[in-house]
Amino acid sequence: DAGVIQSPRHEVTEMGQEVTLRCKPISGHDYLFWYRQTMMRGLELLIYFNNNVPIDDSGMPEDRFSAKMPNASFSTLKIQPSEPRDSAVYFCASSFGQLAKNIQYFGAGTRLSVL
Amino acid sequence: EDKVVQSPLSLVVHEGDTVTLNCSYEVTNFRSLLWYKQEKKAPTFLFMLTSSGIEKKSGRLSSILDKKELFSILNITATQTGDSAVYLCAVVDNAGKSTFGDGTTLTVKP
Repeated sequence: DAGVIQSPRHEVTEMGQEVTLRCKPISGHDYLFWYRQTMMRGLELLIYFNNNVPIDDSGMPEDRFSAKMPNASFSTLKIQPSEPRDSAVYFCASSFGQLAKNIQYFGAGTRLSVL
Repeated sequence: EDKVVQSPLSLVVHEGDTVTLNCSYEVTNFRSLLWYKQEKKAPTFLFMLTSSGIEKKSGRLSSILDKKELFSILNITATQTGDSAVYLCAVVDNAGKSTFGDGTTLTVKP
């Protein structure tokens, strides 16, 4: 398996632009997580899905952030409009919940810079 | 709100030293505790702990969980420069939600 695949790897955009981050989880995994990592705040859970359904989005910073999972093999995290404080590395992770007790496998991350 | 506290925040040792990293937690409906190693890229899985007192080992790394006192430790013996990384501790609740600590940055000098 190729692991969790995220795209793009790097994104540089200007304040006010829409940004869409993409994630393909490991096939067969039923949980998908979106994280944001910064030096100041560490690794923060933004939202997670179970069987394509959002379970907890309490970590989503504000209404500018939205996430979707239209099917088991694809998820997006959208920021509209983007702001400089959104600059961070965004990780997607997936796991197979019941048997593996939520061992999460992370993608390589998307490094977002908002100018 | 679930909480994970790791200590120390950073640690500098020399090759061959033994280190102990600490993770304490507060979580409602505990399911498991996980340790990850993060070098320059994404976190990679090290250990999953669900039961108290059972040590998990992988080479020079080992970890144990105390569910009564709500903490876990990660030991690394005979450290090498390749062990330099951020070590993350996470707890997972029964709903599958995970909470990460801030990590311990380990630097191993030659």
